[in-house]
Amino acid sequence: RKEVEQDPGPFNVPEGATVAFNCTYSNSASQSFFWYRQDCRKEPKLLMSVYSSGNEDGRFTAQLNRASQYISLLIRDSKLSDSATYLCVVSAGMRFGAGTRLTVKP
Amino acid sequence: DTGVSQNPRHKITKRGQNVTFRCDPISEHNRLYWYRQTLGQGPEFLTYFQNEAQLEKSRLLSDRFSAERPKGSFSTLEIQRTEQGDSAMYLCASSLDRGRPPEAFFGQGTRLTVV
Repeated sequence: RKEVEQDPGPFNVPEGATVAFNCTYSNSASQSFFWYRQDCRKEPKLLMSVYSSGNEDGRFTAQLNRASQYISLLIRDSKLSDSATYLCVVSAGMRFGAGTRLTVKP
Repeated sequence: DTGVSQNPRHKITKRGQNVTFRCDPISEHNRLYWYRQTLGQGPEFLTYFQNEAQLEKSRLLSDRFSAERPKGSFSTLEIQRTEQGDSAMYLCASSLDRGRPPEAFFGQGTRLTVV
């Protein structure tokens, strides 16, 4: 079993849609969780950390479910500029999922 | 520029040659990570350092790969006897692990092509 597994995608959604990604992890001792965004041929960039109580940053909401060992990312009111690959990361050791590609269409 | 810096940005080498990449992390960051990424895949963990100590190395990593961080600052990743399957983007990231979620920041990567 992979340490971090993500929805396979790709997700193709119209502008304004709400889209959610899930990510499961195998190491129950993991303490830190993140979502990264990666544009084509660019390095990953931190989108947001994920806190136990859930957290929100504008249109983005991240949640953690320790009992079921998954994290999620919700994007509301999708913009064309949200098109990218979204990677979940589980620490310690900063393990990445394979990524989920999102394309937002006009 | 105070971000993570990687050199070279691109490297083309012949099969069987050795290559070495360098990563300069954000100063004061005590953790440094190396990843390999191929098209359509997420970054694959290779190894990470806490200061100068190499704390973990991927079991998938062959003995041809070695990494060092001798003074706890910059790091080098060496690949010996390169193979075509080593062609990938090699990414370095650094983070500060001190009482808060260790958010990692990436360099722009070194793209290796083995011909």
